Amino acid sequence: DTGVSQDPRHKITKRGQNVTFRCDPISEHNRLYWYRQTLGQGPEFLTYFQNEAQLEKSRLLSDRFSAERPKGSFSTLEIQRTEQGDSAMYLCASSLKGGGHSGNTIYFGEGSWLTVV
Amino acid sequence: GQQVMQIPQYQHVQEGEDFTTYCNSSTTLSNIQWYKQRPGGHPVFLIQLVKSGEVKKQKRLTFQFGEAKKNSSLHITATQTTDVGTYFCAGSNLDSNYQLIWGAGTKLIIKP
Repeated sequence: DTGVSQDPRHKITKRGQNVTFRCDPISEHNRLYWYRQTLGQGPEFLTYFQNEAQLEKSRLLSDRFSAERPKGSFSTLEIQRTEQGDSAMYLCASSLKGGGHSGNTIYFGEGSWLTVV
Repeated sequence: GQQVMQIPQYQHVQEGEDFTTYCNSSTTLSNIQWYKQRPGGHPVFLIQLVKSGEVKKQKRLTFQFGEAKKNSSLHITATQTTDVGTYFCAGSNLDSNYQLIWGAGTKLIIKP
């Protein structure tokens, strides 16, 4: 399978615990995105990387959220001291860097469902 | 901030009826993309529109981009059960640093 893969697919954690999600993008894609999606809503942009550089992180929901892409390939999203409001699906996506007017087609992974109890 | 409004939130149709969802942006877009998300699944890219007034067709799906590049629509003719899901529009422009701004989606429900 050459699509975007995410792990784990489902995570149940107790409030206050830390969780980490991993994303492996499509191999030739240099951009990697993290989104959050709650029921009945569209994807909410969190952050993105171009290669190993994190170009936008102001949308991360709080300082409990952090993301890394140390070698420009896979990425991790960590949530520290989880709260019940963090329960959502965390989507990773990747794309090629495209021209501005012609947007980047984004390919999503299956998502990682987080339930904080 | 920039917003993309999408209506309706839900649409119930009988199988064989048509379905339409509309997106309106608060600002002029460089491009708009449409995605479909099946229940329990992830968004899947359908199409991108770039030109003012552009119309593209994919079998029973017709996508339009407005002349002012601020609105777009997706029309499905003669819906089938395989069309069930949520349809999202997402647009970008220079102001958004070409990051996609997503609509809230329209959920297509086929009445039994």
